Amino acid sequence: DGGITQSPKYLFRKEGQNVTLSCEQNLNHDAMYWYRQDPGQGLRLIYYSQIVNDFQKGDIAEGYSVSREKKESFPLTVTSAQKNPTAFYLCASSGAGLRGDTQYFGPGTRLTVL
Amino acid sequence: QKEVEQDPGPLSVPEGAIVSLNCTYSNSAFQYFMWYRQYSRKGPELLMYTYSSGNKEDGRFTAQVDKSSKYISLFIRDSQPSDSATYLCAMSGRGTSYGKLTFGQGTILTVHP
Repeated sequence: DGGITQSPKYLFRKEGQNVTLSCEQNLNHDAMYWYRQDPGQGLRLIYYSQIVNDFQKGDIAEGYSVSREKKESFPLTVTSAQKNPTAFYLCASSGAGLRGDTQYFGPGTRLTVL
Repeated sequence: QKEVEQDPGPLSVPEGAIVSLNCTYSNSAFQYFMWYRQYSRKGPELLMYTYSSGNKEDGRFTAQVDKSSKYISLFIRDSQPSDSATYLCAMSGRGTSYGKLTFGQGTILTVHP
């Protein structure tokens, strides 16, 4: 059963802590993405990766870091430098060829800073 | 000015109504258009994908693109309570940004019985 998994579903963090959100896909997609979603603001791109060992900043990368050591995995670390990290985080992936820009999303992780 | 503008609503309609959801865009490079549906606390799922001006129909859903006016629409016929969700438009252009999408803010739709 192909798809994208994100864990955990809910995450609570104390101020000053780094946390890492997991994203795994078994769709054999080259590209992976991280978005942040806040009420009334749609999806904002944090980071994306088009190939293993390479990634680019999106529109709101400050306070976040990523790695892409494997094709299947694209973890996101929310650092203590992120001033307002409470949000819903979505991971997505896309493949090549026709409709290669179509992104498929995971179920999301809701991060709350206490 | 945002590249993609979408009325956030909220939009509330009775069951059976025809729903019209709209997005406008300013970037002429956008050539591919998508509509996603997102249920509360879930990830978005792709509903429609179009890349040419005109209409594309899939069951109760019709996607319409007017590139000359930079305007896209999603129509839902015979709306059902299960259609209650946030609808996001998304767009991409040809170029080096592989698969990068620009999203609208999303429209919250409620269909009441």
